[in-house]
Amino acid sequence: SYVLTQPPSVSVAPGQTARITCGGNNIGSKSVHWYQQKPGQAPVLVVYDDSDRPSGIPERFSGSNSGNTATLTISRVEAGDEADYYCQVWDSSSDHPYVVFGGGTKLTVL
Amino acid sequence: QLQLQESGPGLVKPSETLSLTCTVSGGSISSSSYYWGWIRQPPGKGLEWIGSIYYSGSTYYNPSLKSRVTISVDTSKNQFSLKLSSVTAADTAVYYCARLLATGTTAIIDYWGQGTLVTVSS
Repeated sequence: SYVLTQPPSVSVAPGQTARITCGGNNIGSKSVHWYQQKPGQAPVLVVYDDSDRPSGIPERFSGSNSGNTATLTISRVEAGDEADYYCQVWDSSSDHPYVVFGGGTKLTVL
Repeated sequence: QLQLQESGPGLVKPSETLSLTCTVSGGSISSSSYYWGWIRQPPGKGLEWIGSIYYSGSTYYNPSLKSRVTISVDTSKNQFSLKLSSVTAADTAVYYCARLLATGTTAIIDYWGQGTLVTVSS
């Protein structure tokens, strides 16, 4: 089965840039989607297809994907960005395709 | 605005079957290009995809849960349902229903329900 690896935690000061990575075998050949989850709430899609943003998501959220690593970048981090972030792909490499999530990264705003 | 709402028992006994229903409002469950799915999150842990269904009844399941999972759809009620059999304490989690935008090469979860906590305990 396909495995996505995220760092458990990332810390950043307000106004700085946070980068959250998502590692997977040749992940650059897949479309990666990112979700933000705040405590007690359902996840929210913040980046899809590696680097596109849904309507209503600030331009501060961006993404990239190449080789074995996809990255979610949050510029000018605000206190309200503190949350868990999950990457996700669709693994269609077998006869039984399925949704795969990374383990999640807790973003702490110092 | 599309809305999804989970419903079902919040407490299930070990070895029994967990049953949840998701009611979709503000849109049709029979829309093309969309799958409908279940995702769970044990307390303090990450997200786990359970499975998805198309309005025609075509399903995809997480291989690790496939032997215990059944997902079905009722287009007349704009609902889809989850059954998870032989539950244990490890199945205690918040269960989310969701809409997946499916293309030929990927699936994006663009709408989520609010989630419902199901506890497995005697």
